[in-house]
Amino acid sequence: DTGVSQDPRHKITKRGQNVTFRCDPISEHNRLYWYRQTLGQGPEFLTYFQNEAQLEKSRLLSDRFSAERPKGSFSTLEIQRTEQGDSAMYLCASSLGGGLQFFGPGTRLTVL
Amino acid sequence: QQQVKQSPQSLIVQKGGISIINCAYENTAFDYFPWYQQFPGKGPALLIAIRPDVSEKKEGRFTISFNKSAKQFSLHIMDSQPGDSATYFCAASKDSGGSNYKLTFGKGTLLTVNP
Repeated sequence: DTGVSQDPRHKITKRGQNVTFRCDPISEHNRLYWYRQTLGQGPEFLTYFQNEAQLEKSRLLSDRFSAERPKGSFSTLEIQRTEQGDSAMYLCASSLGGGLQFFGPGTRLTVL
Repeated sequence: QQQVKQSPQSLIVQKGGISIINCAYENTAFDYFPWYQQFPGKGPALLIAIRPDVSEKKEGRFTISFNKSAKQFSLHIMDSQPGDSATYFCAASKDSGGSNYKLTFGKGTLLTVNP
């Protein structure tokens, strides 16, 4: 499968714990995006990488959130001290220089 | 501030009918308008996209109509099938001038096609 992959697909954690998600983009895609989707809503932009550089962060991304893309390949999204309001689907998308973005299956986070 | 407004929130259509979903945008800098289809538990999948230099684009049973002056665009699904039952999202981005191409999504339309 050469599409965007995300791991894990589901994560259940207790409030206050840290969690980390991984995204593997389509090979050679230089742009990588993280979005968050809550129930009944469209995805909302969180952050964007071009190669290894993080070029934009949404105001939705509080200080508890951090994202990295070492070597411009896979990316990780870490949430520290999780809160119940962090419960959502976290989607990763990649593209090759343009607006055509391909999404992964997402990681469903539940914070108890 | 909701930059892309989508309607209706839900839609029920009979098999073989036409499904129509509408979107309106505010930011005139947007120049790329894709539609995504999402099944439960899955990520959004690109259906069809249009740029504002054309008023209509058709791919199979899916057609986008675009009205630049009204800042509106719509998705038409012809001969709707039960397998089309999913949530549909319109989106918009600035796709030129070195932008980051981030997508701004509508809130989605839950389409149910009855057999």
